[in-house]
Amino acid sequence: GAVVSQHPSRVICKSGTSVKIECRSLDFQATTMFWYRQFPKQSLMLMATSNEGSKATYEQGVEKDKFLINHASLTLSTLTVTSAHPEDSSFYICSARAGRLGMYTEAFFGQGTRLTVV
Amino acid sequence: GENVEQHPSTLSVQEGDSAVIKCTYSDSASNYFPWYKQELGKGPQLIIDIRSNVGEKKDQRIAVTLNKTAKHFSLHITETQPEDSAVYFCGGGYQKVTFGTGTKLQVIP
Repeated sequence: GAVVSQHPSRVICKSGTSVKIECRSLDFQATTMFWYRQFPKQSLMLMATSNEGSKATYEQGVEKDKFLINHASLTLSTLTVTSAHPEDSSFYICSARAGRLGMYTEAFFGQGTRLTVV
Repeated sequence: GENVEQHPSTLSVQEGDSAVIKCTYSDSASNYFPWYKQELGKGPQLIIDIRSNVGEKKDQRIAVTLNKTAKHFSLHITETQPEDSAVYFCGGGYQKVTFGTGTKLQVIP
């Protein structure tokens, strides 16, 4: 399958600071990227969908001003957690696919980022 | 929106036996159903997927079946091995995928 690289794999930050997570598709052009959040022993909760060059679409209940998503190129999307608080501590995972909306193709996940806010 | 339910939440099988995980979905517009395997501390890995124009798909020891009328789809793993132990997520959707709650599979040597 295709390779999606997510960085960093782990990050610890102080409460009130911002953290940026990168998601890169290494061997294909990702027209659509998804960002998920996963709590321990729970499922993957979609936070937002981003298409290259356009604004991200956020799921209900996800604060767009807190979780900033940028998808500036076909191989890179970033998620910035602004003014992080301990309750933002979680496992964040991106996935990327080559197809545009309406034509679903396989999505490949990154390795995930374990964020701990202290 | 789509709602995907997955059962069982945990499953223990003896090595060599088969394992079956079942999912249901609610949105008749959903046409893509992937299955992912997630090992501890890692991102999910796509293991097999099926589209709504197909009723069954097989890849070595793994097979997926889809019943569009009943809105059911299932993952079948035959001849299970200890390395199959992981959490498995089913997904369903059209433009975006909604995931089930996961099944923790334990294969006992």
